[in-house]
Amino acid sequence: GENVEQHPSTLSVQEGDSAVIKCTYSDSASNYFPWYKQELGKGPQLIIDIRSNVGEKKDQRIAVTLNKTAKHFSLHITETQPEDSAVYFCAAGSSGSARQLTFGSGTQLTVLP
Amino acid sequence: GAVVSQHPSRVICKSGTSVKIECRSLDFQATTMFWYRQFPKKSLMLMATSNEGSKATYEQGVEKDKFLINHASLTLSTLTVTSAHPEDSSFYICSARERTSPRGNEQFFGPGTRLTVL
Repeated sequence: GENVEQHPSTLSVQEGDSAVIKCTYSDSASNYFPWYKQELGKGPQLIIDIRSNVGEKKDQRIAVTLNKTAKHFSLHITETQPEDSAVYFCAAGSSGSARQLTFGSGTQLTVLP
Repeated sequence: GAVVSQHPSRVICKSGTSVKIECRSLDFQATTMFWYRQFPKKSLMLMATSNEGSKATYEQGVEKDKFLINHASLTLSTLTVTSAHPEDSSFYICSARERTSPRGNEQFFGPGTRLTVL
């Protein structure tokens, strides 16, 4: 099955700086890579996703890059703000019948004011 | 759009009792719903995949008689924790995949249910 590794587990940045979180996956059949933000005591919220037919996607301060050859993808947050502080999860999925997602272990991002 | 609700948000019960958690897709029809369990500071662990009108598919190690899942309609799935014990205390989260979405992989998550078994 799919295995997703996520690094770092914790990340602290100064407000205004950029944050980068990296994930690797093992199954070459995976073709869908979402990123979720989870605040304490709440469910995950989809913040951006990318499919294997593109290498980069951007939405305002958030961008995701995908390297299919190396089987890794990254989340980039620019101009970080204190409200960006949360746990971020990457995930990988395929177009198989179950279309399940396999999640990374999460990154606790803290943006220091 | 794509809002998923869960009820209750928190539940405290005595050991040996059963607890039902509801997951609803409010503004879309969900062909598939997923149930996850999350321990503190840990990732989401998939428990089972629920398809409307059919039996749920459980992940290895998840007891189907312990965690009963019913997906009776395209907008409602329920998870019943039977004969709950303190080790069942956890954060349970559901997600739903939209039936007609051309981007079929997207999962929308509910806010979670915190279960505490005394």
